Amino acid sequence: GQSLEQPSEVTAVEGAIVQINCTYQTSGFYGLSWYQQHDGGAPTFLSYNALDGLEETGRFSSFLSRSDSYGYLLLQELQMKDSASYFCAVRGSGGSYIPTFGRGTSLIVHP
Amino acid sequence: DTGVSQNPRHKITKRGQNVTFRCDPISEHNRLYWYRQTLGQGPEFLTYFQNEAQLEKSRLLSDRFSAERPKGSFSTLEIQRTEQGDSAMYLCASSPRTDPTRTQYFGPGTRLLVL
Repeated sequence: GQSLEQPSEVTAVEGAIVQINCTYQTSGFYGLSWYQQHDGGAPTFLSYNALDGLEETGRFSSFLSRSDSYGYLLLQELQMKDSASYFCAVRGSGGSYIPTFGRGTSLIVHP
Repeated sequence: DTGVSQNPRHKITKRGQNVTFRCDPISEHNRLYWYRQTLGQGPEFLTYFQNEAQLEKSRLLSDRFSAERPKGSFSTLEIQRTEQGDSAMYLCASSPRTDPTRTQYFGPGTRLLVL
């Protein structure tokens, strides 16, 4: 099976940088994704890492270390609108490579 | 393209009743997924279709749950004899055949409340 661990809540101030960590256990590994979900909204895709290293998309970056079964999402220049839940999701070798989601990290951005 | 749509957006029902939800994926996406999400949790996988074939079902999907995708386009998820524990957000997602990352494009969800 697959399991993921991420902090339940992170708080930061506007303009700061925040890192949300994710550790995973999976049989086989095909990629780690990150999704954002605002209250009452649908999860939306942010980034995907299949290989070690950093992927940058605007203010958001995602990092993966396959040897450590670890990844993180880095959010820079935080804005109030970044307050949301962030989920990491791992694709293992089970079944049809469907992603398994973590429980999510609630990010609260203060002015 | 307007994205994944789901209907209804909200459903309140009494315990023991049957409910059916509909999902219309992005038109060129041949993969369709159903998830359930409760407060404070991530989406939990329920079932997966590739075209009209139901290729995978989670152990979470009891025999009261059934899903179809008869023509490989829209899908329905039916819950029979609903229980209070079925109260949750039911999310549908789709992804295209050409995307090896299986990026999920989610719909807005159907929020079910069983009284």
